[in-house]
Amino acid sequence: NAGVTQTPKFQVLKTGQSMTLQCAQDMNHEYMSWYRQDPGMGLRLIHYSVGAGITDQGEVPNGYNVSRSTTEDFPLRLLSAAPSQTSVYFCASSRQGAEDEQYFGPGTRLTVT
Amino acid sequence: GEDVEQSLFLSVREGDSSVINCTYTDSSSTYLYWYKQEPGAGLQLLTYIFSNMDMKQDQRLTVLLNKKDKHLSLRIADTQTGDSAIYFCAAVSGGYNKLIFGAGTRLAVHP
Repeated sequence: NAGVTQTPKFQVLKTGQSMTLQCAQDMNHEYMSWYRQDPGMGLRLIHYSVGAGITDQGEVPNGYNVSRSTTEDFPLRLLSAAPSQTSVYFCASSRQGAEDEQYFGPGTRLTVT
Repeated sequence: GEDVEQSLFLSVREGDSSVINCTYTDSSSTYLYWYKQEPGAGLQLLTYIFSNMDMKQDQRLTVLLNKKDKHLSLRIADTQTGDSAIYFCAAVSGGYNKLIFGAGTRLAVHP
């Protein structure tokens, strides 16, 4: 099993550009989530999904969209990038929910200039 | 919603014990977790404790839970240089399917 994979590893965007961060898991996990990690602020939950077709907002959802058309994939879309979205983004998955062990991807480092 | 707080830095000498502390706000959190992040990597589950337990021991790791004060601690015995990492406390927001993390404590182990 590859576990949780994220692409790209690094990305530089200009303000106002849009892009999609990809996340996939091959463990047949129902629960997937996106976090951003910023120095001194830990991991903050952006969006999460309890299964295909179902998504919900986390702590910091503004400026981000998600969809969950399949169990395996959970892409995160930045609609109009802003410098405040410069961060490291982690995708995670677990068997059924937030109480189960979370498996994290390697992260995407995003810089918005 | 849940709020999780922890101090940002801890420096210890190799061979000493490390104690990392965490406080949380939601008394209905069922499970509390410690995750470890090594440089340049994602997080990995280190250990967890169920809310009806006071203590859990797992080799060099001891987790203590004080439900009354909503205080969680992680003790690492005989700390080694390989334990240098960021340690995150996390709790599930009661009634919601959300895992909320603290800011992370960076543990530095020096000879």
